[in-house]
Amino acid sequence: DAGVIQSPRHEVTEMGQEVTLRCKPISGHNSLFWYRQTMMRGLELLIYFNNNVPIDDSGMPEDRFSAKMPNASFSTLKIQPSEPRDSAVYFCASRRSIGETQYFGPGTRLLVL
Amino acid sequence: SQQGEEDPQALSIQEGENATMNCSYKTSINNLQWYRQNSGRGLVHLILIRSNEREKHSGRLRVTLDTSKKSSSLLITASRAADTASYFCATDGDTDKLIFGTGTRLQVFP
Repeated sequence: DAGVIQSPRHEVTEMGQEVTLRCKPISGHNSLFWYRQTMMRGLELLIYFNNNVPIDDSGMPEDRFSAKMPNASFSTLKIQPSEPRDSAVYFCASRRSIGETQYFGPGTRLLVL
Repeated sequence: SQQGEEDPQALSIQEGENATMNCSYKTSINNLQWYRQNSGRGLVHLILIRSNEREKHSGRLRVTLDTSKKSSSLLITASRAADTASYFCATDGDTDKLIFGTGTRLQVFP
């Protein structure tokens, strides 16, 4: 099993640019989560999907952030326009079903200049 | 918002010693999970303990759960330098999403 796959692993962009982060969950997993990790705020849940449907996006910081899951094997997190305060490590995680273990991807380290 | 708080925030020990980390949480839970994160890497799942369980073992790891006190502890026995990492507890609270604590940074000196 390849685990959760995220791309890119590193992204450096300039303020105002659009950023798209990608995630491929583990096959057979029904839930997908997007997290952001910073030194100041720790690990924050941004949004999660069950069966490709967004369930809770209360953690999405503002309208500049959007997430989609067009099918069971792919999700994107988009930031448009990006700002320096968006600099963080973004993790994707997937889970087979409620109450079970979440498996994390390696993360995307985003730097917005 | 964070559901769990780990204690201590940082812990330094010598190889061979035991390391104990504690986690407190606020709401009722279905399960509590512990994760490890090496510097610059993703989170790795260590162990899951359900609310009706009091203790669980996995190799050198021992996790206890006290739902009456809303607390859990993670014990790593005979620590190794490779155990150096941050350790997080995570709970599902009253929803099906995990909320992570602030983490304990463990440093094991050879």
